[in-house]
Amino acid sequence: QSALTQPASVSGSPGQSITIPCTGTSSDVGGYNYVSWYQQHPGKVPELMIYDVTKRPSGVSNRFSGSKSGNTASLTISGLQAEDEADYYCSSFTASSTWVFGGGTKLTVL
Amino acid sequence: EVQLVESGGGLVQPGGSLRLSCVTSGFRFSDSPVHWVRQASGKGLEWVGRIKRKVDSYATGYAESVKGRFIVSRDDSKNTAYLQMNSLKIEDTAVYFCTRQPVGSGTCDYWGQGTVVTVSS
Repeated sequence: QSALTQPASVSGSPGQSITIPCTGTSSDVGGYNYVSWYQQHPGKVPELMIYDVTKRPSGVSNRFSGSKSGNTASLTISGLQAEDEADYYCSSFTASSTWVFGGGTKLTVL
Repeated sequence: EVQLVESGGGLVQPGGSLRLSCVTSGFRFSDSPVHWVRQASGKGLEWVGRIKRKVDSYATGYAESVKGRFIVSRDDSKNTAYLQMNSLKIEDTAVYFCTRQPVGSGTCDYWGQGTVVTVSS
């Protein structure tokens, strides 16, 4: 199972919006609505930000949103804040009944 | 409060074995599949394996990189999951996290703090 494809890095200025794509195949991202997004600050445990493609856990800011089109899922962060600077990972259930993560995207808030 | 606490990490030689434990509290453990995820230093997250509930016959699944070497198990009476790691390789060096999958959900929400496994001669 190959890792999902994410850009290595993205950046944006405070107040702007950014989108992180996560590309898989019809056997994972495209085939199931089980895409999640995690935020990880350096030295910290990953935190769930989006699950089931578009759902936000209680307590997560509504500045975070998820979507999917075909084999590509996306995480959008609006109104960027300095605290959003972190690594972001997507994950998906697969047709093999396994799970796979993306390679991760480092978000820099300029 | 949901908690997952990993233990059992340490230094082991290539070819050796190690068993990690994940003790949980604050939720109905028997209702939740449990996953193991690892992260090498400076690298991304890698899914390792998963064990389902008793109603799903405790079915397991593994990443290709560990299949045949790692075994996930659980003891519902102890609210604990395990990761038995055999034939360890240098590339298995990582922080290992356990994480739960809520009933009816396709995600993993709560994570433990992780335990460090170092494979080196």
